[in-house]
Amino acid sequence: QVQLVQSGAEVKKPGASVKVSCKASGYTFTSYDINWVRQATGQGLEWMGWMNPNSGNTGYAQKFQGRVTISRNTSISTAYMELSSLRSEDTAVYYCARGLTDYGGNSVGFDIWGQGTMVTVSS
Amino acid sequence: DIQMTQSPSSVSASVGDRVTITCRASQGISSWLAWYQQKPGKGPKLLIYAAFSLQSGVPSRFSGSGSGTDFSLTISSLQPEDFATYYCQQVNSFPYTFGQGTKLEIK
Repeated sequence: QVQLVQSGAEVKKPGASVKVSCKASGYTFTSYDINWVRQATGQGLEWMGWMNPNSGNTGYAQKFQGRVTISRNTSISTAYMELSSLRSEDTAVYYCARGLTDYGGNSVGFDIWGQGTMVTVSS
Repeated sequence: DIQMTQSPSSVSASVGDRVTITCRASQGISSWLAWYQQKPGKGPKLLIYAAFSLQSGVPSRFSGSGSGTDFSLTISSLQPEDFATYYCQQVNSFPYTFGQGTKLEIK
């Protein structure tokens, strides 16, 4: 079935970097955008950025510019999100999500979500 | 950035009740709005896209309406599995912002 499977939980020290993977299966990886969204414990959802796996084009929320990099390896249908200069406020569950588009290619929502990866930043 | 404001932040209701959650955008977003349901420990589930289109597999008791800046999600007859947190999201322009969430609790 169509699914996104993410890598396991991470514990990092402040100032370090983390790289989370998101492996797609059950569909053509390059046909749908991948987005990254995070959620701190008990908080709401925060969109971090987007990637077109076919072209490699990316876009990031201003809040994360300079600290986040979204990339992919099309040969293994996997997307990655790397966040650097980690601080305690980055402790959250990180989700990858597939972008659903309409017939015109416009994003209309995120229809498939990974299971989430808990990233804990602590000294 | 476009700000999304949901109301109420929480609501208590009973099985069989009709519930409506509203979402207001800080500027016009046409119909570029999605609704999600999230249960504890799980990722969000897409319910509605393009303001009123029901995602495949979602029960017809869920419906969406609105355009421009004001939107709503209605559950026509609450079922036990509907008690969760609901989020709206604008997909009109980057960054794709979410509302703060509405927690639907059992009365």
